Amino acid sequence: GDSVTQMEGPVTLSEEAFLTINCTYTATGYPSLFWYVQYPGEGLQLLLKATKADDKGSNKGFEATYRKETTSFHLEKGSVQVSDSAVYFCALRENSGAGSYQLTFGKGTKLSVIP
Amino acid sequence: NAGVTQTPKFQVLKTGQSMTLQCAQDMNHEYMSWYRQDPGMGLRLIHYSVGAGITDQGEVPNGYNVSRSTTEDFPLRLLSAAPSQTSVYFCASSHDTGLSGELFFGEGSRLTVL
Repeated sequence: GDSVTQMEGPVTLSEEAFLTINCTYTATGYPSLFWYVQYPGEGLQLLLKATKADDKGSNKGFEATYRKETTSFHLEKGSVQVSDSAVYFCALRENSGAGSYQLTFGKGTKLSVIP
Repeated sequence: NAGVTQTPKFQVLKTGQSMTLQCAQDMNHEYMSWYRQDPGMGLRLIHYSVGAGITDQGEVPNGYNVSRSTTEDFPLRLLSAAPSQTSVYFCASSHDTGLSGELFFGEGSRLTVL
């Protein structure tokens, strides 16, 4: 079945540091890929997405590129802020069949940014 | 603009008790779903619905029932709670049943089963 593997956390960075959170996936077809963010005490929010190979999703300074050859969708930000402290989830959705009705999530990576 | 509203936010049950987690959305979304979030496990899909009168099982449906009598509401029922159902539950909805767009989440319901 489908699966998403994220780098283990927690990740602690100083403000203005460069962020990379690795995400790789296994899927039977050609999925759409997503990053969701969960701030403390809240539900998840969509951060960015990419629907086909070589697409780059971007939002709020975060970027991720859909790499079909390496089955990866790594999240990057050039300069993190304290307000970026949250849990980040990589997810995929199959583009056809029964799997298109659900998202498969990774386990999440907790990011803490210190001043 | 309420979005997805879940109640209650916190609940403590004893083993064997029953309860219903409520979920309502005011965005006229066809797709609704329930996830549970456990430490180190990420989110796992329990049940979902692609429209009123239509429900289907997700990855971890055992011990849970759902119904979808209206577009707005999608309650999750625990008929006989077990400690293994201690978790944080999230309801989510989407305009697009194919999930090509955004999934909107509620704030979560934290359930403890003693």
